[in-house]
Amino acid sequence: QLQLQESGPGLVKPSETLSLTCTVSGGSISSSSYYWGWIRQPPGKGLEWIGSIYYSGSTYYNPSLKSRVTISVDTSKNQFSLKLSSVTAADTAVYYCARHRLDVVVPHWFDPWGQGTLVTVSS
Amino acid sequence: SYELTQPPSVSVSPGQTARITCSGDALPKQYAYWYQQKPGQAPVLVIYKDSERPSGIPERFSGSSSGTTVTLTISGVQAEDEADYYCQSADSSGTVFGGGTKLTVL
Repeated sequence: QLQLQESGPGLVKPSETLSLTCTVSGGSISSSSYYWGWIRQPPGKGLEWIGSIYYSGSTYYNPSLKSRVTISVDTSKNQFSLKLSSVTAADTAVYYCARHRLDVVVPHWFDPWGQGTLVTVSS
Repeated sequence: SYELTQPPSVSVSPGQTARITCSGDALPKQYAYWYQQKPGQAPVLVIYKDSERPSGIPERFSGSSSGTTVTLTISGVQAEDEADYYCQSADSSGTVFGGGTKLTVL
């Protein structure tokens, strides 16, 4: 059974870079049928897609975050990572990683999801 | 990018039918997906491609599409169905989530 686990610092200072890693177990990140995505959820609010990556390194980013986001993949470790630069308090959220199912040429639905990790931006 | 609009809340009594809508101009051309999120938990996919149900999801969950609106229907609602529900869609420019609907089981 495929599982995803987020890891990284729970506290980041304003203006610094948020860095998280998602480790995939029970399956290969190099599958041709999937992208791998990051989604976040501010406390008490809804879901926001951040971006997704294919094992080859091809990426899709949310246009509203694109200038600050970098997603990378390490197939040797079965991991993919998120970097979000110049963070502010508005970036405080639970960050989820998830498998993003490819349909024809575009990634569509997320299943399964990791348990999520809370990242707080504060000095 | 486009938007998906959901009602903030829906209330239903146990055993009745709950309908949660999601509206968006792109929906006639794009599939919709539905997620259930209980407090403190990660979202779970309950419907994909408008009306397909993943394995392990109870049959009381169903989805439909008509024009610019997709609907998640929960028949014979149970107390355990109380949760937030999110719709989602995608195209070549990216992925969008609706704002979420809180389903309250009275």
